Amino acid sequence: GAVVSQHPSRVICKSGTSVKIECRSLDFQATTMFWYRQFPKQSLMLMATSNEGSKATYEQGVEKDKFLINHASLTLSTLTVTSAHPEDSSFYICSASRDANTEAFFGQGTRLTVV
Amino acid sequence: GQQLNQSPQSMFIQEGEDVSMNCTSSSIFNTWLWYKQDPGEGPVLLIALYKAGELTSNGRLTAQFGITRKDSFLNISASIPSDVGIYFCTPGGSEKLVFGKGTKLTVNP
Repeated sequence: GAVVSQHPSRVICKSGTSVKIECRSLDFQATTMFWYRQFPKQSLMLMATSNEGSKATYEQGVEKDKFLINHASLTLSTLTVTSAHPEDSSFYICSASRDANTEAFFGQGTRLTVV
Repeated sequence: GQQLNQSPQSMFIQEGEDVSMNCTSSSIFNTWLWYKQDPGEGPVLLIALYKAGELTSNGRLTAQFGITRKDSFLNISASIPSDVGIYFCTPGGSEKLVFGKGTKLTVNP
């Protein structure tokens, strides 16, 4: 199988600060990674598509200046929540796939709480 | 735009019972994927379906890809407590996955 690891699994931060979440594909190279957000009792909502070596593609309604995505290598993508507010508190999940024709593997998620 | 409906939204069953849930879409797809999400975890792929009419099993789980390519169902036989979680369907075929709202399964021992 393929393993995708997220770090940290939980983080609490103060309003106005920034938080970085890492997503790593441990045993395969992922040209593309995806970032999702999941509010309580809701489904996963795609935030952005992260492409190695290029700018991320954001879904409608997602602020690119607030949710900074960097895909520095074929095994690492980072999501930085800037100037976090309590309403940004959510479960953030990444996924990665080897290519467009194979299934995506998900990280274990990061629970962000902004106080 | 594409509409994806998943039902039921929640189920409460007794251990040992069989479970059935389904997904329907307004669009035709070439792939259907079923994921399970445990509380506080990321989704894990259960079954992938690639052909219309395909019936695939994974242990006690069976999923079928509808002939019209607009729907899929997932059955769980002889449920056990660890089946608890949220089950999501998503039409695959591309990297960008759109998820149904999920079926929350509760299994009472």
